[in-house]
Amino acid sequence: DAKTTQPPSMDCAEGRAANLPCNHSTISGNEYVYWYRQIHSQGPQYIIHGLKNNETNEMASLIITEDRKSSTLILPHATLRDTAVYYCIVRVGSLSSSNTGKLIFGQGTTLQVKP
Amino acid sequence: EPEVTQTPSHQVTQMGQEVILRCVPISNHLYFYWYRQILGQKVEFLVSFYNNEISEKSEIFDDQFSVERPDGSNFTLKIRSTKLEDSAMYFCASSERQVQSYEQYFGPGTRLTVT
Repeated sequence: DAKTTQPPSMDCAEGRAANLPCNHSTISGNEYVYWYRQIHSQGPQYIIHGLKNNETNEMASLIITEDRKSSTLILPHATLRDTAVYYCIVRVGSLSSSNTGKLIFGQGTTLQVKP
Repeated sequence: EPEVTQTPSHQVTQMGQEVILRCVPISNHLYFYWYRQILGQKVEFLVSFYNNEISEKSEIFDDQFSVERPDGSNFTLKIRSTKLEDSAMYFCASSERQVQSYEQYFGPGTRLTVT
């Protein structure tokens, strides 16, 4: 699975958009980009995923660059409850004996939403 | 909304004792996982399980660990003889399918403290 690089921490003002970057320059064609978050030692929570098109759901938007080497998670109107560690994960698409769906978490970005 | 549940929320045990951590995955899910997170560290994959057998395990998942789906609803992680370094949050996760387009749903975790 491709390695990802995220800034260790970011701040965002409440009500403003939070833009969390992720670099995945070694991503291959069949790898998806996933975003999860973990709020204060709770279980990680799925946010969104994408392959090459931009995606939006009720929680966030995912913008993937045309070369797919980086992506940005956008929380359009951050609230205090969005304070969490955000993980960008790239996962191989094809099934194999070494790809059983496991998620490999990095250190993530700690997002602090401030009033 | 269906969710993954885990019991107990907190388990304290003495070194050398056996512990069983329990999880009830989402009912129509077929793929099950255990992860752990030592305090202050990243979430680490332990094992994946499908069709009543382990499909992949990490280096952490040594002979002291075992998993079981005893009755079609519960999914358990057993640590045979706990060590101090087993103290961590243990998260169970499940997913409907294995392909990358399906997210994993995590439980709230069991905090294991080994004294």
